[in-house]
Amino acid sequence: KAGVTQTPRYLIKTRGQQVTLSCSPISGHRSVSWYQQTPGQGLQFLFEYFSETQRNKGNFPGRFSGRQFSNSRSEMNVSTLELGDSALYLCASSEEHTIYFGEGSWLTVV
Amino acid sequence: ILNVEQSPQSLHVQEGDSTNFTCSFPSSNFYALHWYRWETAKSPEALFVMTLNGDEKKKGRISATLNTKEGYSYLYIKGSQPEDSATYLCAFQAAGNKLTFGGGTRVLVKP
Repeated sequence: KAGVTQTPRYLIKTRGQQVTLSCSPISGHRSVSWYQQTPGQGLQFLFEYFSETQRNKGNFPGRFSGRQFSNSRSEMNVSTLELGDSALYLCASSEEHTIYFGEGSWLTVV
Repeated sequence: ILNVEQSPQSLHVQEGDSTNFTCSFPSSNFYALHWYRWETAKSPEALFVMTLNGDEKKKGRISATLNTKEGYSYLYIKGSQPEDSATYLCAFQAAGNKLTFGGGTRVLVKP
């Protein structure tokens, strides 16, 4: 079984731009979650989608949004990028208790 | 805001020595406690998912215990090897599926 796949792996954006990150979960997994890690911070929960519906949401501003498609693939979008959005964004898919992570997308905002 | 704390933040271990570190979490609304091993430039790797008070899990030289009543879990590494060097993350899962991560314990095993 292929693991959780995230694209792109690395990207650089300018302040004020928007970015879309993509996540393909493990085949058969319907739950997809997104996390942010900034330097010095632990993994912060962004949101979780299950069967195309947002099931949980973390404490992030409305500039951060996501969606899930019928094939369980998910995208997250960050609009009006700020320097502080520079981070590693991890996607995870799960079935029952075990949660599997992708390798992440490194976003640098300049 | 849920408080999940890991201590120590980092530790250096001599190859062959055993070590352990702690994850503390809220004792209410418990659903599961996860341990992950995260090596640089790789994705976090699931080690254990623990759901029952008193659970003990083992994977090779790594084991974990769980006390949900007092809100802590220990991770043990027996006979540390250089390949055990990584950041070990715990995550508290409340009912409703959301994970809250601790800050991690960075382990460096010196040959």
